[in-house]
Amino acid sequence: SQTIHQWPATLVQPVGSPLSLECTVEGTSNPNLYWYRQAAGRGLQLLFYSVGIGQISSEVPQNLSASRPQDRQFILSSKKLLLSDSGFYLCAWSPGTDSSYEQYFGPGTRLTVT
Amino acid sequence: GNSVTQMEGPVTLSEEAFLTINCTYTATGYPSLFWYVQYPGEGLQLLLKATKADDKGSNKGFEATYRKETTSFHLEKGSVQVSDSAVYFCALSEPGNTPLVFGKGTRLSVIA
Repeated sequence: SQTIHQWPATLVQPVGSPLSLECTVEGTSNPNLYWYRQAAGRGLQLLFYSVGIGQISSEVPQNLSASRPQDRQFILSSKKLLLSDSGFYLCAWSPGTDSSYEQYFGPGTRLTVT
Repeated sequence: GNSVTQMEGPVTLSEEAFLTINCTYTATGYPSLFWYVQYPGEGLQLLLKATKADDKGSNKGFEATYRKETTSFHLEKGSVQVSDSAVYFCALSEPGNTPLVFGKGTRLSVIA
């Protein structure tokens, strides 16, 4: 069966510090991968998605970036965090060839920028 | 573009009450429709889905029917429990290899 992992689970970082959040998927190959952010009490904001290694689509211009160095690894980064980057970050994957296109979510990373 | 509209929350119900969370959509073509649930502090879980008109998705006592004529996919449950307290998201798929389109979510609180 497929599983998705995110780490760390929680993170407290000062303003201006760098960020690296990691997401890995097991049990499947060539998945589509997604990064979402959820501010407190708000809905989902799609940040990036990837349909293959090195292929990244950015949905929201900001100080975050994403990379996909391996087929089942997706990394969210920032060089300098802002207070507004605080939130709950969710990674998700979907089968690249599944016609129903459902997405499966990881457990999330709670980021607090102080 | 395609979009999903959910009823504004929060929704507060007593245990064993009937639940309806409205969801309507705008889409070209024939999307698949989904309901996800997010319990506090967790990621989203797929609750149910329907892939074509008149399909009924069901899981854990929840149901939703794909109504093409009214472009709706309302979530229902006959008797809610305290453990159903969560945020519920309606979503649709777009043609091609693109992310799901999500509604803004509806928070449900069930009190004993």
